[in-house]
Amino acid sequence: KAGVTQTPRYLIKTRGQQVTLSCSPISGHRSVSWYQQTPGQGLQFLFEYFSETQRNKGNFPGRFSGRQFSNSRSEMNVSTLELGDSALYLCASSTLQANGYTFGSGTRLTVV
Amino acid sequence: GQQLNQSPQSMFIQEGEDVSMNCTSSSIFNTWLWYKQDPGEGPVLLIALYKAGELTSNGRLTAQFGITRKDSFLNISASIPSDVGIYFCAGPSNTGNQFYFGTGTSLTVIP
Repeated sequence: KAGVTQTPRYLIKTRGQQVTLSCSPISGHRSVSWYQQTPGQGLQFLFEYFSETQRNKGNFPGRFSGRQFSNSRSEMNVSTLELGDSALYLCASSTLQANGYTFGSGTRLTVV
Repeated sequence: GQQLNQSPQSMFIQEGEDVSMNCTSSSIFNTWLWYKQDPGEGPVLLIALYKAGELTSNGRLTAQFGITRKDSFLNISASIPSDVGIYFCAGPSNTGNQFYFGTGTSLTVIP
């Protein structure tokens, strides 16, 4: 059974650019969540999608957005990149939330 | 958001030693999860706890759901080099569609 796949693994962008990250969940998992991980702030919740609907959103500016497709694949987009957006972005999928997530390996975004 | 505090923040131990870490919350959780993250990878679920007082093992790992439902504990027995990583606790929001993560405990095992 394939795990959660995130692409790309590494990305370098310059300030002001935008970026799109992709996540393919485990087959049959309809819930996809995104987290930002930085050394100083730990794992911060971005948003969660279920059946193409955003059910929950964390405390991030509107530059951070996401969507989910009918096949449960998800993308997140960050516009007008700032240096502080440099982080590991993790995608996680699940069936029942209470059973916990399965995380992907993440996308390491560096903004220069 | 919800604050989960883990202690200790970091640990340096000799191979073969036992390890204990804990996680505390300001509010009650109905589920506690423990994850391990290796460098450059996403966290991997180790143990899930669903009931106050529950004690669950996964190999050399044992986790407990605190009686107050505001804390949880993780023990690793006879540590080995591959135990190196960051250990996170997590608990769900009231709506269940978000997890709050602890600040992490970084474990270094010295051979």
